Amino acid sequence: QLQLVQSGAEVKKPGSSVKVSCKASGGTFSTYTITWVRQAPGQGLEWMGRIIAILGIANHAQKFQGRVTFTADKSTSTAYMELSGLRSEDTAVYYCAKFDNSGFYIDYWGQGTLVTVSS
Amino acid sequence: QSVLTQPPSASGTPGQRVTISCSGSTSNIGSNAVNWYQQLPGTAPKLLIYTNNQRPSGVPDRFSGSKSGTSASLAISGLQSEDEADYYCAAWDDSLNDHWVFGGGTKLTVL
Repeated sequence: QLQLVQSGAEVKKPGSSVKVSCKASGGTFSTYTITWVRQAPGQGLEWMGRIIAILGIANHAQKFQGRVTFTADKSTSTAYMELSGLRSEDTAVYYCAKFDNSGFYIDYWGQGTLVTVSS
Repeated sequence: QSVLTQPPSASGTPGQRVTISCSGSTSNIGSNAVNWYQQLPGTAPKLLIYTNNQRPSGVPDRFSGSKSGTSASLAISGLQSEDEADYYCAAWDDSLNDHWVFGGGTKLTVL
């Protein structure tokens, strides 16, 4: 059974960076397109971007231009999302997820990682 | 505000049929398939409907989806208490270098 297991909760200071990991098991990681979605407290889902693991090619929502980096380590079946220049508005649960092989929909989700930005 | 528009709330009594709408534009729903996700309190979202009207294995046939033009709908028949959750529509958007967009979410309350 395919699983995406994320790293634990983080507390960060404003202006710092956070790196969240997402380890895949039960499938062929190199064929995945991993995407990242965040959810601020009491708010809806917000798409951040995606990375095509086999190619290492990523794109992101314009809102995160210059602040977010997606990477994928095929040797450990782990994807990473690094967000820099943290501000209080970045406090959210960050989810990794994968697109199905057609790329048309997200079919599996990680459990989420709470990132709290506070001075 | 979200690119896809959903009503913020919906409600029904057990056994009723409820529908949740999702309105978009030609660059998203009008040219791409719509998907629906269910998020139970405190949990990650779960795929409920994909490619407009397909159900993953394990999703009851009480849940159905449809799409027409630039709008889509999720219908839940025989409403049950465990259906109380947040529901999100989502689709690819062909504008702005291809990105994925979500609706704002609809909180379904079972009265």
